[in-house]
Amino acid sequence: DIQMTQSPSSLSASVGDRVTITCRASQGISNYLAWYQQKPGKVPKLLIYAASTLESGVPSRFSGSGSGTDFTLTISSLQPEDVATYYCQKYNSAPWTFGQGTKVEIK
Amino acid sequence: QVQLVESGGGVVQPGRSLRLSCAASGFSFSSFAMHWVRQAPGKGLEWVAVIWFDGSNKYYADSVKGRFTISRDNSKNTLYLQMNSLRDEDTAVYYCARDLGLPGYFDHWGQGTLVTVSS
Repeated sequence: DIQMTQSPSSLSASVGDRVTITCRASQGISNYLAWYQQKPGKVPKLLIYAASTLESGVPSRFSGSGSGTDFTLTISSLQPEDVATYYCQKYNSAPWTFGQGTKVEIK
Repeated sequence: QVQLVESGGGVVQPGRSLRLSCAASGFSFSSFAMHWVRQAPGKGLEWVAVIWFDGSNKYYADSVKGRFTISRDNSKNTLYLQMNSLRDEDTAVYYCARDLGLPGYFDHWGQGTLVTVSS
């Protein structure tokens, strides 16, 4: 099975900072990659699909890039409401594996 | 609007069974594949199982294969997860989620139902 590895596991940044989270697949998955945001105590929310397509209603400070095995989620200007854990997920075929998550906090 | 409402969680002893339900509304349930995803306390998301829109295909995570069964009743707009031979490590919040693509990403999630396996 394809493994999904995120880095870092956690990060702390200041409001307004640019934040980048990476996700690496152990084999190529083309652009079948989604990003989810899970705020504390809440349900996961879809942010990005097809590696770089922003879900409707998601702020434009979020962006995604990559293809094949290496992907990134970028928050261009971190806001207090972005405190959450972010997960990548492959969806090209079973199993629909998630990365282990990246916890984002405000410094 | 799309709504997914899970039910059936609770406290169960190791080795026993439990059946979860996910009631769907606000969309054409019979047109979408559906998934179960779980999250152990303080841990990350773990995909559990998927069922095709017509029930023709089902896939499972290795951790639940042979113990869990996913099913659906399109006439009742309801998704199920039958969980047998439960183990301590099955303790988690279980979410149902809609697949937008087959295979696809999850565009809507339920609120989750907590399953606690404990003696």
